Formats: sequence, structure tokens, C-alpha cells
Amino acid sequence: AQSVTQPDIHITVSEGASLELRCNYSYGATPYLFWYVQSPGQGLQLLLKYFSGDTLVQGIKGFEAEFKRSQSSFNLRKPSVHWSDAAEYFCAVGGYGNKLVFGAGTILRVKS
Amino acid sequence: GAVVSQHPSWVICKSGTSVKIECRSLDFQATTMFWYRQFPKQSLMLMATSNEGSKATYEQGVEKDKFLINHASLTLSTLTVTSAHPEDSSFYICSASPLAGGPGEQFFGPGTRLTVL
Repeated sequence: AQSVTQPDIHITVSEGASLELRCNYSYGATPYLFWYVQSPGQGLQLLLKYFSGDTLVQGIKGFEAEFKRSQSSFNLRKPSVHWSDAAEYFCAVGGYGNKLVFGAGTILRVKS
Repeated sequence: GAVVSQHPSWVICKSGTSVKIECRSLDFQATTMFWYRQFPKQSLMLMATSNEGSKATYEQGVEKDKFLINHASLTLSTLTVTSAHPEDSSFYICSASPLAGGPGEQFFGPGTRLTVL
């Protein structure tokens, strides 16, 4: 069965610093991978997705993610974090029937 | 593009009443819509999957008689929480998969906060 692990529950970074959020997945076939962001009390916004091809994926708001099959990882990165990036981030893998399996989420705090 | 709306955004009701939540894909047709529940500080839990014109498929442990799902068209799905009780209080989020979307691609609504008194 598919599963997603986000090992960091909370991460705090200073504004302007770089960011990397970790995501590891378990999936038997070629995975379809997603990163979503959720602000408090809001729905989820898609940051980026990986279906195939180039393993470095560019998304919105300056985010990127790299698919590494050998490590079963799809880590999210941003070179310089802004205070408005404070939110919760979810990694997900697409499964049977277009379902998504979500990780537990990582809460990002940004220090000014 | 790819906007999903939910109505209402929040609702407070008395125990024993029923509450209906609407989910609409505003600018695309959705083959499939999904309903999730999210408890505070937790991830999304898939409750059910619905396809237009057919019965919803519920995840294990979700009571189909309590959470009624109707998928009337390619742009509208509704979730009715019947005889709501305080333990049903939660954040409910719907999502929609577009007809021409990639595998697993879903667009999410803003969520509905349900509080049962």
C-alpha cells in the first residue's frame, strides 16, 4: 500500500534562509507526487506536482522539488523563505482511482 | 482556472440536526469528487469518493448512513451529515479531479468548518 512520511512535524527557519521539507514515499510503481500548502482554516493549494520526466520540478511561489527514485524521496525546497510562507505543507502520492495518500504534514514557522 | 468552491464556509448547528455541504467545480468538469475530514493539527482523512451518477465509495470506518454523498452533476457534489453530534464537529474539505487531469490530480475547496453544539 502507498504511504507518505514527512519526518518533520515542525520546522522553524529565519526569513531569508533556505528551506527544505522532507518527504519519503512508498509506492510500487512510478509515483505521482504532489506538494500542497494549507494556511490556517483554508483548503489546500497545489504547489507543484511530478508525473514523469525531469526530476526537478518547479512550482508556484518559488518552490521546487526533486524526485529521487533511489531514495524514494520528493523533498520540497525554497532558496529564500518569506514570512508569508508560514503554513502547513503536505506531501502526497497519487494512488489507485485518483486517490491521494497524504503525509502527516509539516508546519513551517518563519522567524523575522 | 481549476477553482473549487464549498458552501457554507462554516456552520454551527444543534445536535440531532442535519447539515448539507456543497462542493462545486466552478470552471471545469470533474469526473470524481472526494470528501475529506481534517481534525485539528492532523492530516486529511479521505472519507469517500464520488463519481457523477453513481453511488459513493466510502473508506473503511466511515458510516455511509451518517455521511450521505450525492454527486448530481459533473460540477456538484454534496455531503449531508445526518443527525449530527458534537463528535462530528470537524473541518470538511472536498476536492475534484478534472476530466482532463493527470493521475491523482485534485483541486481542493476552501473547506467547511462544522461545529455541532
